[in-house]
Amino acid sequence: GAVVSQHPSWVICKSGTSVKIECRSLDFQATTMFWYRQFPKQSLMLMATSNEGSKATYEQGVEKDKFLINHASLTLSTLTVTSAHPEDSSFYICSAPTVNYGYTFGSGTRLTVV
Amino acid sequence: GENVEQHPSTLSVQEGDSAVIKCTYSDSASNYFPWYKQELGKGPQLIIDIRSNVGEKKDQRIAVTLNKTAKHFSLHITETQPEDSAVYFCAASRGAGGTSYGKLTFGQGTILTVHP
Repeated sequence: GAVVSQHPSWVICKSGTSVKIECRSLDFQATTMFWYRQFPKQSLMLMATSNEGSKATYEQGVEKDKFLINHASLTLSTLTVTSAHPEDSSFYICSAPTVNYGYTFGSGTRLTVV
Repeated sequence: GENVEQHPSTLSVQEGDSAVIKCTYSDSASNYFPWYKQELGKGPQLIIDIRSNVGEKKDQRIAVTLNKTAKHFSLHITETQPEDSAVYFCAASRGAGGTSYGKLTFGQGTILTVHP
């Protein structure tokens, strides 16, 4: 139980365009969703925390106007990378806390900006 | 905020040997300590976790120990197999319980290689 489905698994986009990443909780209600970014051979760094029905909280140094997070329902949270640039290329992962299974993670999205 | 340090960064063992990865944390209010295995191109998978009211937990070949006084916790894998090869991350969080979970802070990761 407690599965988070993340899509797409990989995406390539041109510089200046926007990309949306979706995370859906399939069998539980995710009131909170954490969004991480992971560069090659590095650890997961928390970008922001979203809560259903309220504004996301961003970590220091993360541009909220560039990484738009929407958590409009208890089963869907989205991250939109706006005006993407090559330096935004990374592995993005969502995670939701659950009552019985700790934190469950999505499978990740590999974003490549060309 | 919380700071989690993880060692070693790489670990190479022979099949059948044991592997130990250690982490220290800074926030004495942290009360939930999970360990994740991450394979290339995939999200982290929980392999074992421990809460601050427990000193040790075991699940088959995997065990975790926690020393709250020293603020460190360790992952022990016995009888390692080639399929154990992956990146392992420790993490710490405060406020874990019921429906309330604080944000996770991750260690730097350990690349474990098990040679056949």
